[in-house]
Amino acid sequence: NAGVTQTPKFQVLKTGQSMTLQCAQDMNHEYMSWYRQDPGMGLRLIHYSVGAGITDQGEVPNGYNVSRSTTEDFPLRLLSAAPSQTSVYFCASSSAANYGYTFGSGTRLTVV
Amino acid sequence: QKEVEQDPGPLSVPEGAIVSLNCTYSNSAFQYFMWYRQYSRKGPELLMYTYSSGNKEDGRFTAQVDKSSKYISLFIRDSQPSDSATYLCAMSLIKAAGNKLTFGGGTRVLVKP
Repeated sequence: NAGVTQTPKFQVLKTGQSMTLQCAQDMNHEYMSWYRQDPGMGLRLIHYSVGAGITDQGEVPNGYNVSRSTTEDFPLRLLSAAPSQTSVYFCASSSAANYGYTFGSGTRLTVV
Repeated sequence: QKEVEQDPGPLSVPEGAIVSLNCTYSNSAFQYFMWYRQYSRKGPELLMYTYSSGNKEDGRFTAQVDKSSKYISLFIRDSQPSDSATYLCAMSLIKAAGNKLTFGGGTRVLVKP
């Protein structure tokens, strides 16, 4: 049982490039979310989802897109990377039986 | 004002002491209350989860929720150096589009041998 798997673990992008952070869970969880974590800012919600085809914006959605076509996958797309998007990104999933999220190990993104 | 407030610490205690952590919140609609532990360069790990006012115990950990005061606490008994980490409170609101979790800023705890 792998839990929540995030890839890549590390990434360096140039300003203006686009990329997709991958997230997959194998626990058949309904709920999935993306957070970013910055020093002094804590964990901030980017987007969240209750299932395939249903997503909503969190606290800091600008510059990011999501889609959820399956229960298992919830990719996060950076449309045009900016230095302000340098951060650690966490994906998480939870079920309706226990709303506590299980987190992945994170993706460390640097935009230069 | 943030929806969830948490003292950033650091909180330094000797091994074996009780660690006391707390958070206040402003949104009375929050439904579920959690505590996470995060080691350096790792993802948050769920420690405690509760949905009602009162106490919940799990081993050395006790979570306390007071909805009337909008205040939650975490107590760690017989603290160990391995408990040194950042502790994050979090509160959940179930919406039509999903499970929206809001975090406090985290308290850094250091347990000294």
